[in-house]
Amino acid sequence: NAGVTQTPKFQVLKTGQSMTLQCAQDMNHNSMYWYRQDPGMGLRLIYYSASEGTTDKGEVPNGYNVSRLNKREFSLRLESAAPSQTSVYFCASGTGARQETQYFGPGTRLLVL
Amino acid sequence: AQKITQTQPGMFVQEKEAVTLDCTYDTSDPSYGLFWYKQPSSGEMIFLIYQGSYDQQNATEGRYSLNFQKARKSANLVISASQLGDSAMYFCAMREPHNTDKLIFGTGTRLQVFP
Repeated sequence: NAGVTQTPKFQVLKTGQSMTLQCAQDMNHNSMYWYRQDPGMGLRLIYYSASEGTTDKGEVPNGYNVSRLNKREFSLRLESAAPSQTSVYFCASGTGARQETQYFGPGTRLLVL
Repeated sequence: AQKITQTQPGMFVQEKEAVTLDCTYDTSDPSYGLFWYKQPSSGEMIFLIYQGSYDQQNATEGRYSLNFQKARKSANLVISASQLGDSAMYFCAMREPHNTDKLIFGTGTRLQVFP
């Protein structure tokens, strides 16, 4: 049981380049999330998807787009990367039930030069 | 707006001793959930313990317990009998289910366990 998987694990981009971070879960969860983690800031929600076909902005959505491709997959796209987007990106999924935790992927370390 | 505050950027504890990591929260919603996660140096987020706002008893999971003081809006994590492997970042998080099920995270506390 793979849980939540993310690709790639590491990426270096030049300013202005685009890329897509991929996330997949095999737990049949309805909800999926993208967070970024910066030193001293904890995790901040970028976008989330409460169900297949729906997406909503989180706390820090600027510069990002998302696609909920199907129930399993939720991708995060940087159209024109900026150094301020250097961060560790986590994907998570959950049932949405109040007492249920979210399950996190291993993270993607992104460096924008 | 909801908010999570962790005021201890770093804590030290000797092996086998207990340690308390502080977390306070702010919400106007009567229904909410509180979570603690561990993030070791390898980077993954590991769920530790959950406390619901209507739960009558403090949550416990093995060596982890949550000291939930609703009137003071605090949800401190207590780790008993610390082990070297407990050295990690610890994050407190809150969910307000009536406002979607987004998690709001604190800034974390780095715990160092020494022999």
